[in-house]
Amino acid sequence: GAGVSQSPSNKVTEKGKDVELRCDPISGHTALYWYRQSLGQGLEFLIYFQGNSAPDKSGLPSDRFSAERTGGSVSTLTIQRTQQEDSAVYLCASSPGGGPTDTQYFGPGTRLTVL
Amino acid sequence: AQKVTQAQTEISVVEKEDVTLDCVYETRDTTYYLFWYKQPPSGELVFLIRRNSFDEQNEISGRYSWNFQKSTSSFNFTITASQVVDSAVYFCALSEDSGNTPLVFGKGTRLSVIA
Repeated sequence: GAGVSQSPSNKVTEKGKDVELRCDPISGHTALYWYRQSLGQGLEFLIYFQGNSAPDKSGLPSDRFSAERTGGSVSTLTIQRTQQEDSAVYLCASSPGGGPTDTQYFGPGTRLTVL
Repeated sequence: AQKVTQAQTEISVVEKEDVTLDCVYETRDTTYYLFWYKQPPSGELVFLIRRNSFDEQNEISGRYSWNFQKSTSSFNFTITASQVVDSAVYFCALSEDSGNTPLVFGKGTRLSVIA
């Protein structure tokens, strides 16, 4: 079946603008995760959705970052008033049940460049 | 707090050589899960293996093998007879049974296999 998809694949924006990144998880997966991969760094957890529970936002770096997940499926990560340090690859993953034993399957990522 | 260290930033080998990628982890949990992911130049993270903390049996899958040693908190990955297609960034990751399910990643090892 189809894997995790993300759009756009690349996004170039000007400092101060808002951006929205989209993630379509694998059908039937209840858990969805956002990570950020900066140059030379590992993957940094941002936010986690599990079913209808309140999301775990503990990884969001500032209040400029927010995310929502509509209908338990598609998720949108929004970055307001973008800064140059927000430039990174934003990766989305989904897993069947959200438990620690579940394997997370990743999308191809969105490369964000803030000029 | 959990932590994953991949001390090797970059490795270059000649095709057909064997190569081992090191991964050392820290966790206070007695139950945890270890993962390896491959990130080829295309950017999409590909799941390779998951290992539970209570199963120290080493695993072999084709040219890939994994050596899990709780005594040294290591989960090393060996590629036998490396091929150019193995060139990628490899990430080791950890999730704890008691904590959030987001993965904690190492910073990755960039493997270059030269023909």
